[in-house]
Amino acid sequence: GAGVSQSPSNKVTEKGKDVELRCDPISGHTALYWYRQSLGQGLEFLIYFQGNSAPDKSGLPSDRFSAERTGGSVSTLTIQRTQQEDSAVYLCASSLTGGRLSEQFFGPGTRLTVL
Amino acid sequence: LAKTTQPISMDSYEGQEVNITCSHNNIATNDYITWYQQFPSQGPRFIIQGYKTKVTNEVASLFIPADRKSSTLSLPRVSLSDTAVYYCLVGFPISSGSARQLTFGSGTQLTVLP
Repeated sequence: GAGVSQSPSNKVTEKGKDVELRCDPISGHTALYWYRQSLGQGLEFLIYFQGNSAPDKSGLPSDRFSAERTGGSVSTLTIQRTQQEDSAVYLCASSLTGGRLSEQFFGPGTRLTVL
Repeated sequence: LAKTTQPISMDSYEGQEVNITCSHNNIATNDYITWYQQFPSQGPRFIIQGYKTKVTNEVASLFIPADRKSSTLSLPRVSLSDTAVYYCLVGFPISSGSARQLTFGSGTQLTVLP
């Protein structure tokens, strides 16, 4: 596709369950980012992938959060033992490079609701 | 980390020029400043980016003073469709070595009135 896609668009889960959120970046983009946006709040950086380098995990809020990027393309954000405070929209973005001039292209997000 | 501060909300009328200022006192030498626009239920969309002085594109201008501790997004002649949240972003990720977080401002809700 032409843009960043994310799936599912909505996810409702029960507290304590694990969830996986998927991001398909724009083809050819080497950098991929995950953000979290709680209701009415700004964007909170979670993790960043650039090519084959080790990911920048400095934004992950706890060890229940992890992310992978397979083959330099698709990425999966996993949240283990979900808590109600994990409810938010999870946004993925990609950019051609990870450098200072890189424009980020965002997907539509996955709305996660933890009951 | 470069912390950013923006006004929470602004109102304007159609046809007016709107200026939104973002403060980033701890901006680093290598940091660029980027502004994004976000409509409800959508991901943010790039508007403009700059390092210093003035940058202009087809939709906006960005003014950055010499000390770079703030930046101002200028939207000429806004319309109702410009109603959105506007974020300033300072910083960029480094693939190795010391990690830097990408810091988005809290966002400014711009409401354009008829």
